[in-house]
Amino acid sequence: DAKTTQPTSMDCAEGRAANLPCNHSTISGNEYVYWYRQIHSQGPQYIIHGLKNNETNEMASLIITEDRKSSTLILPHATLRDTAVYYCIATNAGGTSYGKLTFGQGTILTVHP
Amino acid sequence: DAGVIQSPRHEVTEMGQEVTLRCKPISGHDYLFWYRQTMMRGLELLIYFNNNVPIDDSGMPEDRFSAKMPNASFSTLKIQPSEPRDSAVYFCASSFFRSGANVLTFGAGSRLTVL
Repeated sequence: DAKTTQPTSMDCAEGRAANLPCNHSTISGNEYVYWYRQIHSQGPQYIIHGLKNNETNEMASLIITEDRKSSTLILPHATLRDTAVYYCIATNAGGTSYGKLTFGQGTILTVHP
Repeated sequence: DAGVIQSPRHEVTEMGQEVTLRCKPISGHDYLFWYRQTMMRGLELLIYFNNNVPIDDSGMPEDRFSAKMPNASFSTLKIQPSEPRDSAVYFCASSFFRSGANVLTFGAGSRLTVL
């Protein structure tokens, strides 16, 4: 898995967009970028993933730079319930790597009223 | 769907006792994972199964730990004998393989305290 680097913590005002950056400068061509989050005392929750193109689902948007060395997770309208630790993971899907999600320290996002 | 179900949610035991954690994956999922989370080491993959067969157990810390999956709807993680350093939250997760997608669904976790 490529190493990922995330800020330790970030703050966001409720109702505003939360933009969480992730650096993965050593990512290889067949590695996807995944985002999971973990709300206090709960199991991690899948948010979104992508390879090259930007992706959007009901939870968030994922913007991947053209050189794929970094990405940004966007929560368009953050709520208090989005306060959590957000993990960015770069991993090769399939084969012996499948399921081997290596969780780093993540970014602690705090959404303020 | 009820999601991934783990039991017990909390377990307090004394050093040397046997501990058994249980997991019921989501129906139809063919992969099952056991993770452990501590403040010091974060989330670590212990072992995972595909179609009830253990695929990779390189994360299992030592012989005191064992995991089984007798059928598609049940798995256990056993620690015998338990030690205080085993205190952690143990998560079970399941998924089905989709090309390019490691979409795991995690359970609520089992918090283990070994005194």
